[in-house]
Amino acid sequence: DGGITQSPKYLFRKEGQNVTLSCEQNLNHDAMYWYRQDPGQGLRLIYYSQIVNDFQKGDIAEGYSVSREKKESFPLTVTSAQKNPTAFYLCASSRDSLNTEAFFGQGTRLTVV
Amino acid sequence: AQSVTQLGSHVSVSEGALVLLRCNYSSSVPPYLFWYVQYPNQGLQLLLKYTSAATLVKGINGFEAEFKKSETSFHLTKPSAHMSDAAEYFCAVSGSGGYNKLIFGAGTRLAVHP
Repeated sequence: DGGITQSPKYLFRKEGQNVTLSCEQNLNHDAMYWYRQDPGQGLRLIYYSQIVNDFQKGDIAEGYSVSREKKESFPLTVTSAQKNPTAFYLCASSRDSLNTEAFFGQGTRLTVV
Repeated sequence: AQSVTQLGSHVSVSEGALVLLRCNYSSSVPPYLFWYVQYPNQGLQLLLKYTSAATLVKGINGFEAEFKKSETSFHLTKPSAHMSDAAEYFCAVSGSGGYNKLIFGAGTRLAVHP
């Protein structure tokens, strides 16, 4: 089955630690995105990548980093510089970067303990 | 800049009643508009999308939405609510910035009671 897989589903992090969230897609999509979801705020764009080996900052990139070494993979690292990392993180992909529908993964819930 | 406003963070309806979830957008270019649904602790699933082909868009699970340019609205409706419709619904707009930047509304949580 084609789709987007995020792992892990739940992740706990101690303050000061970096953690990496995985996102893999087998839809052969060029574009991939990371969103952060907080209650009552909708989804906010962290980073996006239109093509392999290229990525751009979204609206709330501070404290996050990404890589796009392979077309199917777009991992997100939440660094210790992110002051309030507890949130639900959603990865998405689209065929291209021009107004096509986005397909979402099931999300990773990150909690700082 | 583009933006989306969803009126009503919570909507409650009886099973069998009309569902109306409101979405207004602002955009300086012809917009592409989307409605997504999210069940608890899951990702978002596309319900329907408007891409200028037709103003009345039919989606999955009996939902539909009408694009009204004069009102800058894209309200989501369903004639008869089912218990399984209880979820959070997000309206989103894209269309500028040179890439598929989806701007989401804050979401509307729909409750359906017997």
